[in-house]
Amino acid sequence: GDSVTQMEGPVTLSEEAFLTINCTYTATGYPSLFWYVQYPGEGLQLLLKATKADDKGSNKGFEATYRKETTSFHLEKGSVQVSDSAVYFCALSEGTGNTGKLIFGQGTTLQVKP
Amino acid sequence: ETGVTQTPRHLVMGMTNKKSLKCEQHLGHNAMYWYKQSAKKPLELMFVYSLEERVENNSVPSRFSPECPNSSHLFLHLHTLQPEDSALYLCASSQFRRNTGELFFGEGSRLTVL
Repeated sequence: GDSVTQMEGPVTLSEEAFLTINCTYTATGYPSLFWYVQYPGEGLQLLLKATKADDKGSNKGFEATYRKETTSFHLEKGSVQVSDSAVYFCALSEGTGNTGKLIFGQGTTLQVKP
Repeated sequence: ETGVTQTPRHLVMGMTNKKSLKCEQHLGHNAMYWYKQSAKKPLELMFVYSLEERVENNSVPSRFSPECPNSSHLFLHLHTLQPEDSALYLCASSQFRRNTGELFFGEGSRLTVL
């Protein structure tokens, strides 16, 4: 079945450092890809998405490009802030279905130190 | 404020208790979901309701019983749970069949089973 694999955390960075969180996926169809973020004590919220190959999603300085050839959707940010400390989840929507069902990775915790 | 409200935020129950989790969405969506979030594991989809009908049940034990009386409300009834059921239970909603993949999550109900 479809699956998502994220890099193990936690990732600890100093403020203004460059961030990369790796995400790869396995899917039989043509999924849409997503990054969700969970701040402490809150639920998940959509950070960015890409619906087809070579699309780039971006939001709040974060970017991710849908790479079909490498089945990847790595999250990047050029300069992280303490307020970016959170858990980041990569996810895909299954194939061409319309159920709204998302397959999530296990999450990567980011800690940004001042 | 995501428009999805879950109560209670925290619940402690014994293995023989019966309790319920409640979710309410104010977004006009027609699909609602229960996810289970356990430490160091991917989010697990438990149930999906679309137009108040259950469209997915991911092999969840019968000690978890969902109920969706209308498109704005979703319950998870809990009975004779096990300690391994301790987790954060997340409710989400979306517009079914739009296939945008964007789910709107509540803040979760933290369940501890003693």
